[in-house]
Amino acid sequence: AQSVAQPEDQVNVAEGNPLTVKCTYSVSGNPYLFWYVQYPNRGLQFLLKYITGDNLVKGSYGFEAEFNKSQTSFHLKKPSALVSDSALYFCAIVAGNNRKLIWGLGTSLAVNP
Amino acid sequence: NAGVTQTPKFQVLKTGQSMTLQCAQDMNHEYMSWYRQDPGMGLRLIHYSVGAGITDQGEVPNGYNVSRSTTEDFPLRLLSAAPSQTSVYFCASSGSSGNTIYFGEGSWLTVV
Repeated sequence: AQSVAQPEDQVNVAEGNPLTVKCTYSVSGNPYLFWYVQYPNRGLQFLLKYITGDNLVKGSYGFEAEFNKSQTSFHLKKPSALVSDSALYFCAIVAGNNRKLIWGLGTSLAVNP
Repeated sequence: NAGVTQTPKFQVLKTGQSMTLQCAQDMNHEYMSWYRQDPGMGLRLIHYSVGAGITDQGEVPNGYNVSRSTTEDFPLRLLSAAPSQTSVYFCASSGSSGNTIYFGEGSWLTVV
């Protein structure tokens, strides 16, 4: 079965430190991979995606993610966290013959001043 | 650019009442969908549409109806509201499967 896992419900980091939000997946075929961010009481906003090509993808607000096929991971990273990065982050994949969209359950990121 | 617009933003319903959540997009997207978001359960797909006149069920379709008479609009109807339908609802659209998805700002629904 195809699935997406975000193993951490919550991640806490200090402002200025690097942050990582983890995402792993299990699919057949080559997936498209996405990260979205949700600020409090708002809709989800697109951050970045991997379709093909360079495994390191750069996105909005200084975020980046690395597609690792051998580890089936697509972790979201940022070199220096800001308090304003505190939000809920969702990983998603499109995979399979039916190109079904599958969402992770989300990771709450708290950046402490 | 308006993007995806959904109304109302907040609504309180009594059990048994019906209502329609409106969703419109101005990006000429073929794909539209409705999700509900509940604590600890992430996003769950209610219904989706791959084009005007075509709709299909998602993971949690019971108690909801949709229609897609135009490319722009994709309303979600609650037929007889139940407390279990208290949730935040998001409408989304994309150009095709695998393309970036654009979300509305959400509709907070409480059923009492």
